[in-house]
Amino acid sequence: EPEVTQTPSHQVTQMGQEVILRCVPISNHLYFYWYRQILGQKVEFLVSFYNNEISEKSEIFDDQFSVERPDGSNFTLKIRSTKLEDSAMYFCASTDPGTSGGLSADTQYFGPGTRLTVL
Amino acid sequence: GNSVTQMEGPVTLSEEAFLTINCTYTATGYPSLFWYVQYPGEGLQLLLKATKADDKGSNKGFEATYRKETTSFHLEKGSVQVSDSAVYFCALSRYSSASKIIFGSGTRLSIRP
Repeated sequence: EPEVTQTPSHQVTQMGQEVILRCVPISNHLYFYWYRQILGQKVEFLVSFYNNEISEKSEIFDDQFSVERPDGSNFTLKIRSTKLEDSAMYFCASTDPGTSGGLSADTQYFGPGTRLTVL
Repeated sequence: GNSVTQMEGPVTLSEEAFLTINCTYTATGYPSLFWYVQYPGEGLQLLLKATKADDKGSNKGFEATYRKETTSFHLEKGSVQVSDSAVYFCALSRYSSASKIIFGSGTRLSIRP
């Protein structure tokens, strides 16, 4: 079964450093997302991306964050200058709303996450 | 705004017990409703979903019915197993699967052998 993959699984960085989190969405999907989950808290939406541009972003997604689809397979989240409060699990997701039939239809598929630790 | 409220955890049950995890939502119109599960050390997996009122989503013995009159989507399973131990998230999507998903706070479920 196709799946969303994310690298690295764990990233440790110093405050103020730039990090890039990588995701490979499911190959025929067209919509891509980043969510994050601070330890012990709920999963929060960050940004959605379609047709090479941001379609929606939350108030969390400020100027320190950016997303890019640098080629036909990768989708990245960059944090320019990390803060302690950016420590969280970051999940990538993808969907193709045009699929039909069964549980997989019209569904966002999530990757396993990247745990970001900012020291 | 749109939100999801689910029962606080942790929930601890014995194997073969009946499970209910309550979930209510606030949203205008007709959102799609989901239950996601997060097993220890893993990412989020879609467990089941319902896209319109009175729909029942089901998967792996779990069920939830979209109740518009009570704005609820409670998760149930008749006989839980140790392998069901995980965190369960109720969630909604306002317009379609392309819309952002709004999650509840999650309910940790532990099943004793």
